Amino acid sequence: EVQLVASGGGLVQPGGSLRLSCAASGFTFRSYWMSWVRQTPGKGPEWVANIKQDGSEKYYVDSVEGRFTISRDNAKNSLYLQMNSLRAEDTALYSCAREDWYSFDSWGQGTLVTVSS
Amino acid sequence: SYEVSQPPSVSVSPGQTASITCSGDKLGDKHISWYQQRPGQSPVLVIYQHNRRPSGIPERFSGSNSGNTATLTISGTQAMDEADYYCQAWGSSVVFGGGTKLTVL
Repeated sequence: EVQLVASGGGLVQPGGSLRLSCAASGFTFRSYWMSWVRQTPGKGPEWVANIKQDGSEKYYVDSVEGRFTISRDNAKNSLYLQMNSLRAEDTALYSCAREDWYSFDSWGQGTLVTVSS
Repeated sequence: SYEVSQPPSVSVSPGQTASITCSGDKLGDKHISWYQQRPGQSPVLVIYQHNRRPSGIPERFSGSNSGNTATLTISGTQAMDEADYYCQAWGSSVVFGGGTKLTVL
């Protein structure tokens, strides 16, 4: 069974930083592109960033480019999201998701990030 | 930036067919997926590559995509299908629709 467990969320002041982690199990992690997707209550999900199997390619939504960095450690079956210069509009539930066939076929339960003073 | 739009709500009677649309410029040129999300749960992929169903998704879920509109169709809708549904388009960027709340009356 595919499991994706995100952690690292919390309350942070505007301009602050957080590092999210996602522990993957139940599949061959190194064989898949992985993404971070965020969602606020009552709204649709928003894709944030993704990373190729070997980490050689990374892509970001425009609103986080230059502030967020996605990375992975295939030896630890882990995905990360370093978030700097956080803004109120970054407040959301952040989930890691496995990519396949231009879709997200498995999602974690998410970790809540709140940016507020 | 690219955007897709969905109707906020759709209602259907049990056993009838529900159709949820997703609209966007040249949507037919993009890879379309659909997700079901029940309250308090993570989204579940129900359709990918326009009309393919992941393992475990009932046959009553189907999809189509042409021109500027993609459609998720649920045949013989059941009470358990009541949920929010999101379309997702994958082209040069990845975007989600705002969601459609399906009510089974």
